[in-house]
Order: sequence, then structure tokens, then C-alpha cells
Amino acid sequence: GAVVSQHPSWVICKSGTSVKIECRSLDFQATTMFWYRQFPKQSLMLMATSNEGSKATYEQGVEKDKFLINHASLTLSTLTVTSAHPEDSSFYICSARAPRLAGVAETQYFGPGTRLLVL
Amino acid sequence: AQKITQTQPGMFVQEKEAVTLDCTYDTSDQSYGLFWYKQPSSGEMIFLIYQGSYDEQNATEGRYSLNFQKARKSANLVISASQLGDSAMYFCAMREGRNTGNQFYFGTGTSLTVIP
Repeated sequence: GAVVSQHPSWVICKSGTSVKIECRSLDFQATTMFWYRQFPKQSLMLMATSNEGSKATYEQGVEKDKFLINHASLTLSTLTVTSAHPEDSSFYICSARAPRLAGVAETQYFGPGTRLLVL
Repeated sequence: AQKITQTQPGMFVQEKEAVTLDCTYDTSDQSYGLFWYKQPSSGEMIFLIYQGSYDEQNATEGRYSLNFQKARKSANLVISASQLGDSAMYFCAMREGRNTGNQFYFGTGTSLTVIP
């Protein structure tokens, strides 16, 4: 199946710094990518929908100035957590809209996730 | 109202036995898709099975089957012949509409533990 990568897989940073997380679709073009946040033992919460070449659509309660999303190409979307604080520590997962292929049910391919720890 | 409800926070099953993980959904759309994902401790989301709202037959993928009861709006996952490697979090998800770019709504998940 299609592959989505995320980099880095782990990041530890000091409070107040900014962290950039990359999400890449490796063997297909993704016009739409999604960013999720997951706290321990909780579900995935959609943060924003990222469309190539346009501004991201943020879910209610997600600060767009704090979580900057850039989808500059059909294979790359980035999430920048600006001025990170300990409460931003979480597991961030991206997914990419899959191309429609006959016989393939998956419509989103998920990245492996990025664990962020803010000290 | 919650789009996806998973009422079992944790489940235990004996190895080689079958287990059913519950999922109910809420939508007014006629066209939608239902998905199950497995999330082991590594965090990756592993796609297991899909059921389209217009599919008349229950979906099956190896040891996984989806018990789709449209009138009850339920989409329970059945895992047959459980294996130790099946221990993980399981999430039910729904995509409304036909557009594959529409967002997924996830349930709160069920933690499955397979006992040797």
C-alpha cells in the first residue's frame, strides 16, 4: 500500500521553542492531508485539514497561530508548533488522502506519528 | 451528538477465541464509509477493514469481519481466532459522504488484551 512518512518520530524540546513536523506521501500525490493529535489513551482528534496550495482549515478550538500548517507541495505538509509549552506534549499523526484505486478501500493513509515532549 | 461511539474501553479475550468490538455511528448521510483501525503501542494506525454504506454484504478481511447492521447503525468488528499480537487499541471511524477527502470521525477506542 501507499506509504506516508513523518519526521521526526520523536522530538524533545524546551518550552518556548518551535518544532516542525513533516508529513510526506512517498509514492503518491496527496491533495489533502490531515493532522491529528492524540493524548495518551485517548482518541485521535482532528486538528486541521490541509489542502495543497491553500490555507488549512482548522477545527474549532485549535489555534491557527500556534499550530502552523503549510502544504506547499503535493507530497509534503508541515505542522509547526510555535512557542511550544508542556501542554502541547502529545502524539501528532498525519494522514494523506489516498488516490482512488479500484478495489482499494482505504481513503486515508496514516503516517507513523511524532511524539512531542516539551520540557 | 457523538458521530462514533465505542462503549467498551477495555476488553479481554482468551487466545484462539473470537471477540466482538462494538461500534455505533450517527449520521444523516445516505452515503458513508466505516473503517476499523488497529493501533499497537508503537502508535501507527493500521487499516483493518472497510464497509461502505451501500454494501449489502458484511466485509471480511482474513480473521476480521465487520457485522454491519444498518438499521441499528452499528458496525461491530469481529476478530476470530485471537492471537497475542492482536493486543492493541482498536478504533472505529466513519467518513461521511462520497468525497474521499472528507474527514474521519474516530471513536474513543477499545483496548483489547489477548490472554495466553
